[in-house]
Amino acid sequence: AQKVTQAQTEISVVEKEDVTLDCVYETRDTTYYLFWYKQPPSGELVFLIRRNSFDEQNEISGRYSWNFQKSTSSFNFTITASQVVDSAVYFCALRMPNAGGTSYGKLTFGQGTILTVHP
Amino acid sequence: DAGITQSPRHKVTETGTPVTLRCHQTENHRYMYWYRQDPGHGLRLIHYSYGVKDTDKGEVSDGYSVSRSKTEDFLLTLESATSSQTSVYFCAISGRVFSYEQYFGPGTRLTVT
Repeated sequence: AQKVTQAQTEISVVEKEDVTLDCVYETRDTTYYLFWYKQPPSGELVFLIRRNSFDEQNEISGRYSWNFQKSTSSFNFTITASQVVDSAVYFCALRMPNAGGTSYGKLTFGQGTILTVHP
Repeated sequence: DAGITQSPRHKVTETGTPVTLRCHQTENHRYMYWYRQDPGHGLRLIHYSYGVKDTDKGEVSDGYSVSRSKTEDFLLTLESATSSQTSVYFCAISGRVFSYEQYFGPGTRLTVT
C-alpha cells in the first residue's frame, strides 16, 4: 500500500525566512508520480508541481523549489524568502499507476502542513 | 483555471436525509473523482469515474453512491446523511489517468446536524 507522510503539522516563520516542507512517501512500485498542492485560507486546492519517479532533477520555480530523492523516498518543498501570501496548508500527494483497475489515478495525500508566515 | 464547479457550495442538512452534491466540468476530461477533507486526514477518495456510467469505489465509500450519466457531470449522493459525513467535499478531474495532475473544484462544505 502507498502512504505519504508529512511529519510537520504546523510551521510558523517570519517573512523572508526560508522554509522547507518535508514529504516522505512509501510505495513498492517503481513508477509513480508525486505532487504538491497548496490550499490557501480561501479553501481551494491549487496544483503546484508534478514529478515522475524517473526524473530526479530538482526543480525551481521562482521562490519555490523541490528536492526529489528516491534514495530516501522524499520530495521536499522549499520556499525561499517566504511571504505572508505563502500562508496556506500544503499537501504532498502520491499517484500510482492503474493497478488491476482499482486505482484509476487515485491520489494518496499526506495530512498536510499548515504554514503560517508572519509579517 | 480548469472549468470545474460544484453545487451547492454550502449545505446544512439533518441526519437521515439524502443529499446530492454535483460536480460539473467543462474540460471534457474522462476521469472524475470525489474526495472528502477532514482535519488530520488530508483528502481521502470516496468514489471515482473513468467514463460515462463507469464508476468505482475509493477508500471511504461507505454511505455514498455516485452516478455519471454525462461526461461533464459527476454526482455524489449521501443516501442517509450522518454526522460523520460532515466534511468538505472536493471534486477533481484529470485528462489522463496516470501522468496528469488532478484539478480540483472549489469544494462543498456539508454540515449534518
